[in-house]
Amino acid sequence: GAVVSQHPSWVICKSGTSVKIECRSLDFQATTMFWYRQFPKQSLMLMATSNEGSKATYEQGVEKDKFLINHASLTLSTLTVTSAHPEDSSFYICSATRRLAGGTDTQYFGPGTRLTVL
Amino acid sequence: GEDVEQSLFLSVREGDSSVINCTYTDSSSTYLYWYKQEPGAGLQLLTYIFSNMDMKQDQRLTVLLNKKDKHLSLRIADTQTGDSAIYFCAESINDYKLSFGAGTTVTVRA
Repeated sequence: GAVVSQHPSWVICKSGTSVKIECRSLDFQATTMFWYRQFPKQSLMLMATSNEGSKATYEQGVEKDKFLINHASLTLSTLTVTSAHPEDSSFYICSATRRLAGGTDTQYFGPGTRLTVL
Repeated sequence: GEDVEQSLFLSVREGDSSVINCTYTDSSSTYLYWYKQEPGAGLQLLTYIFSNMDMKQDQRLTVLLNKKDKHLSLRIADTQTGDSAIYFCAESINDYKLSFGAGTTVTVRA
């Protein structure tokens, strides 16, 4: 249980185009989903917190008009990188929270999406 | 990840025990986590510990928590080549957000 998928797993696009990444919780309903960005050999940087039916909460320094997040249902959140540029090239990882026995909400991570902008 | 610190590299011989250390700063963290990341993949939850516990064991994994010193460790017994990966320590902060360490790259040599 607690499987999170992302699609696509990798994408190469031209500068100026927009790219949509999907994050799905396959066998549970996620109260909250998170979007992270990871640079090579570095830790995960939280970009935004996404709750179903409401606007995402962005971390300081993350442009909300650049990284559009839509949380359409309890099992699907999408991240759209608009007008992508080479500096947006990165590994994007989503996570979905699930309540465990004992009451804690634990994050389960997707496999990540490698974005390369030429 | 500046609030959570980990050593960056660990090399261990196959069959030996690995110990990965982590220090954190937020004393109000209720849960602390260990995640494993293999090359090109997302993070896999290995184990977690509630802040009022000192130790948790799960098969080959043992987590020790020293809340006074804000020190967390992960011990992997009988380390195998499949254990080679990056291991992230994380503490829960507001609204169930996680703050991650920089990750410890564990290399298992034959």
